[in-house]
Amino acid sequence: DQQVKQNSPSLSVQEGRISILNCDYTNSMFDYFLWYKKYPAEGPTFLISISSIKDKNEDGRFTVFLNKSAKHLSLHIVPSQPGDSAVYFCAASPGGYQKVTFGIGTKLQVIP
Amino acid sequence: EAGVTQSPTHLIKTRGQQVTLRCSPISGHTSVYWYQQALGLGLQFLLWYDEGEERNRGNFPPRFSGRQFPNYSSELNVNALELEDSALYLCASSLAGRRNQPQHFGDGTRLSIL
Repeated sequence: DQQVKQNSPSLSVQEGRISILNCDYTNSMFDYFLWYKKYPAEGPTFLISISSIKDKNEDGRFTVFLNKSAKHLSLHIVPSQPGDSAVYFCAASPGGYQKVTFGIGTKLQVIP
Repeated sequence: EAGVTQSPTHLIKTRGQQVTLRCSPISGHTSVYWYQQALGLGLQFLLWYDEGEERNRGNFPPRFSGRQFPNYSSELNVNALELEDSALYLCASSLAGRRNQPQHFGDGTRLSIL
């Protein structure tokens, strides 16, 4: 049972345009959501998070949107840069410091 | 600030052997988590340690075990290795006792079973 789903295995975007990565979840107990970026041969790097009391959180070029009624979140990267090319994991947990459930990732390629 | 460190970076073992992986958390972090990422799959939660105790465990057999030391570093032990155990093993740490704290990851140990 995949509680966090990233249905797009890959995404290609032109440099300077917006990248939108999507994630759906099924567990109503999740109240803290995170996005991680992973380069080959490195561990995941924390990007941005959002708690269920908010519907939007921004950090520089990265914005996460949460739609609790649809159990959907998305990560927007604007403008996209070639260095953003990586695998992006969506993750969720009940409270943040407990077990975190990850999606299988979306590979983003930003084309110069 | 030093990040999460894991050792070794790579390891090759044969079926039936035992392996120990090590992790040092970020200074000040008392919670340590272990994940397995098999080829083509997402990160699967293995174990969570906090203050020296196992707090939660994922759907893995008992031959996966670990411990956390008084300095908050941790070991993951895998007994009776099987071919399917070939994976990247990632350790993460976070501040304990506080809600909504992200976990920070090390670069992992790549375990290959021949």
